[in-house]
Amino acid sequence: AQKVTQAQTEISVVEKEDVTLDCVYETRDTTYYLFWYKQPPSGELVFLIRRNSFDEQNEISGRYSWNFQKSTSSFNFTITASQVVDSAVYFCALSEAFIYNQGGKLIFGQGTELSVKP
Amino acid sequence: DAGVIQSPRHEVTEMGQEVTLRCKPISGHDYLFWYRQTMMRGLELLIYFNNNVPIDDSGMPEDRFSAKMPNASFSTLKIQPSEPRDSAVYFCASSLPGTSGGARNTGELFFGEGSRLTVL
Repeated sequence: AQKVTQAQTEISVVEKEDVTLDCVYETRDTTYYLFWYKQPPSGELVFLIRRNSFDEQNEISGRYSWNFQKSTSSFNFTITASQVVDSAVYFCALSEAFIYNQGGKLIFGQGTELSVKP
Repeated sequence: DAGVIQSPRHEVTEMGQEVTLRCKPISGHDYLFWYRQTMMRGLELLIYFNNNVPIDDSGMPEDRFSAKMPNASFSTLKIQPSEPRDSAVYFCASSLPGTSGGARNTGELFFGEGSRLTVL
């Protein structure tokens, strides 16, 4: 069975601090996809990144970076020099390949609420 | 391009009433998903459709919930009768297949803004 665990329910930091959001997943598939979504206070879900299980290269996009480690089944997300606008709930999600290639059914973690204070 | 459109954005109703939530997916997307978000259970997949056909409804909580997709541009999620524990934000999402040849896609689900349901 697939499962995504985000152990950190809430994190509070002060602006300009770096923060890492943890994500651990379980799957029996050898091919799968991992995602991060952001849910700002306005409520919509915004796609941030997709990673497939064959690509363990870390990715950086501006202040955001992602560290994918198959050996520990983790896909952690780091925000560098956090800003107040980063305050949101962040969800990690998993899609197994067969399902993914049939349209993208995602299993979400419980989410981590990040609060960035000025 | 218009995104996924959901209506109503907010609904307050009394226990026992019928509730109908509506969704218009992005044009050209073959898949449509209904998710429910609550504090206790997070984001749960209720049901999803491929080309208007329900593929997996194992997440539908009980017979009071039903979903339809009469055509490629419209889906409904109905709760009858509603109960206070159904209070949640209901999200609709659509997507292209991850390997859709010739169609631009990045493999993610495109979510609507959600319908916040409160059952008193």
